[in-house]
Amino acid sequence: AQSVAQPEDQVNVAEGNPLTVKCTYSVSGNPYLFWYVQYPNRGLQFLLKYITGDNLVKGSYGFEAEFNKSQTSFHLKKPSALVSDSALYFCAVRDTNTDKLIFGTGTRLQVFP
Amino acid sequence: DVKVTQSSRYLVKRTGEKVFLECVQDMDHENMFWYRQDPGLGLRLIYFSYDVKMKEKGDIPEGYSVSREKKERFSLILESASTNQTSMYLCASSLWGQGDIDEQFFGPGTRLTVL
Repeated sequence: AQSVAQPEDQVNVAEGNPLTVKCTYSVSGNPYLFWYVQYPNRGLQFLLKYITGDNLVKGSYGFEAEFNKSQTSFHLKKPSALVSDSALYFCAVRDTNTDKLIFGTGTRLQVFP
Repeated sequence: DVKVTQSSRYLVKRTGEKVFLECVQDMDHENMFWYRQDPGLGLRLIYFSYDVKMKEKGDIPEGYSVSREKKERFSLILESASTNQTSMYLCASSLWGQGDIDEQFFGPGTRLTVL
């Protein structure tokens, strides 16, 4: 079965430090990968996607993600974290059989001042 | 900007009641989706629709039905609400793929509590 995994329930980082939120996937064929962010009491907002091309994808709010085919990973990164980045982050992969999105369980990012 | 709106932010219902959750999008998107979000489980797809009057079951359709009479509106119906349907419900829409892979746009969510 096709799937996506976010191995960390929570990531804590100090403001100004780099952050990484991990995501691994399992699909047949070429993966289409997405990151979404959910701020408190809000719906999900699209951050970035990987379809094809450059392995480093740049998105909103200074975030980027690195696609690594050999490690089947799509980790979200930011060089310098802000307190306002504190939110719930979801990785998703498109199921190549059904075209539906499969979401991970989410990682809560906490950035401390 | 794409806007997806949901009829209620918070809703409290009693067991056995029929519940309607409404979702409207203003960007002429073909695809619409209903998810529920629960802690530790992420988002799970309940139903989706690729066109007016079309609907397909997602991963957890039991206890739910949907209606899409107009392109911009997608309703989720709980025929007889139960306490295990207490959750956050998220509606989303997207363009038809046509070879491109489009992201989904989400509404703010409805937090439903069934007593």
